[in-house]
Amino acid sequence: EVVMTQSPATLSVSPGERATLSCRASQTVGSNYLAWYQQKPGQAPRLLMYDAFTRATGIPARFSGSGSGTEFTLSISSLQSEDFAVYYCQQYFNWPITFGQGTRLEIK
Amino acid sequence: QVQLVESGGGVVQPGGSLRLSCAASGFTFSSYGMHWVRQAPGKGLEWVAMIYLDGISIYYTDSVKGRFTISRDNSKNTLYLQMNSLSPEDTAVYYCARDYRSGWTNYFDYWGQGALVTVSS
Repeated sequence: EVVMTQSPATLSVSPGERATLSCRASQTVGSNYLAWYQQKPGQAPRLLMYDAFTRATGIPARFSGSGSGTEFTLSISSLQSEDFAVYYCQQYFNWPITFGQGTRLEIK
Repeated sequence: QVQLVESGGGVVQPGGSLRLSCAASGFTFSSYGMHWVRQAPGKGLEWVAMIYLDGISIYYTDSVKGRFTISRDNSKNTLYLQMNSLSPEDTAVYYCARDYRSGWTNYFDYWGQGALVTVSS
């Protein structure tokens, strides 16, 4: 199975600043078979990005994705209060579908 | 609006069985691949199973193969997960989730509220 490793485990950033989250796959996930989700306490995950860099419906432009192969990044420019949450990457290139362990984005 | 509502969660003893249901509304259920994803308390997300819109193509994560069965009834707009030989490691909130587009995408836009399954003696 493809192991997804996210870093850092916790990221502390001040509102208004930029956050950069990383996701590494143990083997290639094709050019871009990678999605990102946001999850807040007590809520189901919310799809942010798919195909590595395509924003899902209704996702603000301050969210952007990049990368290919085994290295991917989610960037959030000018952090808003509602952006502080846990973020997961997910590969869908190989079965089984696998998620990273998550990055907690907290207020500095 | 799209809604996914899980039911059937609860407390079960190790070795026991449980069947989860996910009632779908607000979209053409028969046109979408559907998934189960679980989350152990305080842990991350783990994909469990997927069933294609025709109910024939099915995939599982290794840890549930031979114990869990995913199925769907397109006439009832309902997704199921039959869970047998449950162990404490299966304790989690189980979400049903819909593929982003009709057909097959394997990333998920709509999720249910989750059903808690607790395996404990």
